[in-house]
Amino acid sequence: GAVVSQHPSRVICKSGTSVKIECRSLDFQATTMFWYRQFPKQSLMLMATSNEGSKATYEQGVEKDKFLINHASLTLSTLTVTSAHPEDSSFYICSARASEGVGELFFGEGSRLTVL
Amino acid sequence: KQEVTQIPAALSVPEGENLVLNCSFTDSAIYNLQWFRQDPGKGLTSLLLIQSSQREQTSGRLNASLDKSSGRSTLYIAASQPGDSATYLCAVPNSGNTPLVFGKGTRLSVIA
Repeated sequence: GAVVSQHPSRVICKSGTSVKIECRSLDFQATTMFWYRQFPKQSLMLMATSNEGSKATYEQGVEKDKFLINHASLTLSTLTVTSAHPEDSSFYICSARASEGVGELFFGEGSRLTVL
Repeated sequence: KQEVTQIPAALSVPEGENLVLNCSFTDSAIYNLQWFRQDPGKGLTSLLLIQSSQREQTSGRLNASLDKSSGRSTLYIAASQPGDSATYLCAVPNSGNTPLVFGKGTRLSVIA
């Protein structure tokens, strides 16, 4: 299947700092990428839909000024957690849908964020 | 609003058994249905995708069925192995561009 690369896989930061997570589609172009958040033993909760060249669409309850999403190219979307706090600690997963094909979604390996 | 439910929440079977995981969804107007596998602390691996017009898909020891009218899908795993131990998630989008709505998953343990 297609490959989605997410980096970093783990990050530990101090409260108040900002953290950027990258999501790349390695062998296909993705006009749409999705960012999910997953708490321990819970399912994935959609945070936002990222469209190449336009503003992201955020789900209700997700602060767009805290979770900045940029989708500047057809292969890269970034999520920046600004002024991170301990409650932002979570597993963040991106997914990408190929511009062509049957609409299958491919997921990155996830990024474990720990805010101290 | 689409809701996806997976039963059972957890399942433990001895190696070699065949097993069935269940998924149901409330809005039958789905575009497709995907089954994923997630290992602890890892991302998701796509296992099977069934288009809304299809009834089933097979990949190796895995077979997924879809009954759109009743809002159900099953994932059949034949001759289970300890390496199959993981959380299995089903998910549906309501159209070609909408994000996936996930169930809470079934945590499978295959005991050697």
